[in-house]
Amino acid sequence: AQSVTQPDIHITVSEGASLELRCNYSYGATPYLFWYVQSPGQGLQLLLKYFSGDTLVQGIKGFEAEFKRSQSSFNLRKPSVHWSDAAEYFCAVGANQAGTALIFGKGTTLSVSS
Amino acid sequence: DSGVTQTPKHLITATGQRVTLRCSPRSGDLSVYWYQQSLDQGLQFLIQYYNGEERAKGNILERFSAQQFPDLHSELNLSSLELGDSALYFCASNTGTTTNEKLFFGSGTQLSVL
Repeated sequence: AQSVTQPDIHITVSEGASLELRCNYSYGATPYLFWYVQSPGQGLQLLLKYFSGDTLVQGIKGFEAEFKRSQSSFNLRKPSVHWSDAAEYFCAVGANQAGTALIFGKGTTLSVSS
Repeated sequence: DSGVTQTPKHLITATGQRVTLRCSPRSGDLSVYWYQQSLDQGLQFLIQYYNGEERAKGNILERFSAQQFPDLHSELNLSSLELGDSALYFCASNTGTTTNEKLFFGSGTQLSVL
């Protein structure tokens, strides 16, 4: 069965420091992969997505993610974190080619310290 | 602002009751998706409608039902409520038929069953 694992429930990073959020997926075919962010009291917002092609994907707000098929990973990175990046981050995999179901990880809460 | 409107923002009710959650998608979006977010289960896909027709079903209980009206707004009906139904219910929309296209989320309805 398809699944997404985000190993880190909570991460604290100093403002200006780099960030990497981990995501591992289980899916038999070529995955459709996404990162969404949820700010407090808000719905989810798409940061970036990967379907095919270049394995390094650029997103909004300075985020990027790298797809590594050999490791079944799709880690999210940002070179310099801002206080406004504090939020909950969700990795998701498209469960089938038709894309009618999206499976989300449990999320990683990012805190930013000054 | 995602353009997706959910009402009400908060709902408090008792076990055994029935409630209706409403979602107005972004202008022009034909697909509406419902998700349930709880601490133990995370984000779970419930159901999708496309242009008035049910397109996909996820982990939706038989006590729950949904529909999409000709003006494309959608309602999620939850009946015989149990304590475990307490959760944040999100609606999302997009222009196409699949979640492989960017989803736009509303800010959710927080349901508390007492």
